Amino acid sequence: AAGVIQSPRHLIKEKRETATLKCYPIPRHDTVYWYQQGPGQDPQFLISFYEKMQSDKGSIPDRFSAQQFSDYHSELNMSSLELGDSALYFCASSREGRRETQYFGPGTRLLVL
Amino acid sequence: AQKITQTQPGMFVQEKEAVTLDCTYDTSDPSYGLFWYKQPSSGEMIFLIYQGSYDQQNATEGRYSLNFQKARKSANLVISASQLGDSAMYFCAMREGRQGGSEKLVFGKGMKLTVNP
Repeated sequence: AAGVIQSPRHLIKEKRETATLKCYPIPRHDTVYWYQQGPGQDPQFLISFYEKMQSDKGSIPDRFSAQQFSDYHSELNMSSLELGDSALYFCASSREGRRETQYFGPGTRLLVL
Repeated sequence: AQKITQTQPGMFVQEKEAVTLDCTYDTSDPSYGLFWYKQPSSGEMIFLIYQGSYDQQNATEGRYSLNFQKARKSANLVISASQLGDSAMYFCAMREGRQGGSEKLVFGKGMKLTVNP
C-alpha cells in the first residue's frame, strides 16, 4: 500500500538559511498535517490543510509557512532557521472524518548548525 | 492541562510475554478518538490501533489490543507475545471531535519499551 512520502529525508542547514520540506500524501487523502518532534520529545502539531485550505494552526513560528497544492501535496517553508528548529518533521495524511486515522510519513530530519 | 498522560517512562519485558502500556486522557468532548503509535529508533511513526469514544467494543489489531475504560478515561495498550522487534517508543494520542475544527492529534510524552530475549 502506498504511504506518505516526505522529502528530503535528511537536511542540514546553517543558521538564518531557509528550508523547504515536501510531503506527498497517500492517494485519495485530502487532509495533511505537519508535526515537529524535538529530540526526546513528543510530536507537536504545527499546521493542517483540508482540500488545499488551512484548517488549523498550532504552535508554528511566524518564520514558517505552509501550503497545500492542487495535487494535494504540501510544502513547509522555514526561513531564518534557528538552532532550535533542529527536529524531526513529520507529515501525516488522512481522509476527512472523525474516525479517520492519520498515517505518518517517515519524517524529515532537519539539523541546523 | 495535559490531555494525554503516559506515566511509565520505560518498561522492560521478556520476549513472548504480554505487556500493558498505560495511557490516561482528559477531555470534555463526548466525541474523541484514541490512537497508539510506535516509533522505533529509526524514527518513523507507525500507527498501531484506534479506539473511538463511541465504540462499544475494545479495539484489536493482531497482537495489539486496547483496554478502553471510558469512565476511568484510560486507554491502555496491550501487546501480547512480545517480540524483539517491539522494542521502541510508544505514543498514545488523542483526537478531539470538534465540529468543523481541527482533527489534530495531541500526544503523550511516550514510553520506551525494551523487549529482552
